[in-house]
Amino acid sequence: GAGVSQSPSNKVTEKGKDVELRCDPISGHTALYWYRQSLGQGLEFLIYFQGNSAPDKSGLPSDRFSAERTGGSVSTLTIQRTQQEDSAVYLCASSLESNGYNEQFFGPGTRLTVL
Amino acid sequence: AQSVAQPEDQVNVAEGNPLTVKCTYSVSGNPYLFWYVQYPNRGLQFLLKYITGDNLVKGSYGFEAEFNKSQTSFHLKKPSALVSDSALYFCAVRDMVVTGGGNKLTFGTGTQLKVEL
Repeated sequence: GAGVSQSPSNKVTEKGKDVELRCDPISGHTALYWYRQSLGQGLEFLIYFQGNSAPDKSGLPSDRFSAERTGGSVSTLTIQRTQQEDSAVYLCASSLESNGYNEQFFGPGTRLTVL
Repeated sequence: AQSVAQPEDQVNVAEGNPLTVKCTYSVSGNPYLFWYVQYPNRGLQFLLKYITGDNLVKGSYGFEAEFNKSQTSFHLKKPSALVSDSALYFCAVRDMVVTGGGNKLTFGTGTQLKVEL
């Protein structure tokens, strides 16, 4: 079956513009995660969705970042008024359920460059 | 709080030699431990995990890892390295103690493995 897909694969934007990043998780996976990967850094957790529960937004770095997950499937990560420090690869992952021991399946990422 | 450390930014090994990529962790309870691999311009791929049971875990592509509770380590190993194993490797941990944070993994900063002929 299809894996996790993300679009666009690359996004170049100007400072101050808003961007939307999309994630299509694996069908049937109830948990969805967003991470940010900066050069030389590990993966930084951003936000987590589990079914119809309220998302865990504890990793969002500022109120310019938001995400939603419609119908328990597709998710969109929105960054408003982008800054140069937002430049990174944004990774989406999904897992079967949120029991802690299911592995996460990652998409290829969206490389965001803010000029 | 949970944390994980990968002390080596890069590991170089000759093809055919055994390889080890180190990982140590810190949790308040018992850990769930994972290894992922990232090839250039690709997302992370799951390699193996330790949840409970046998301390030696076998995973994809001939990799294995040994859970050592006393040393709080989960080193990744392979008996005979291949050039195609060259990639970025991430260790990740989740504390089994439920802190209300859901299934959040904490990742290390990654170790670049370079296997040369």
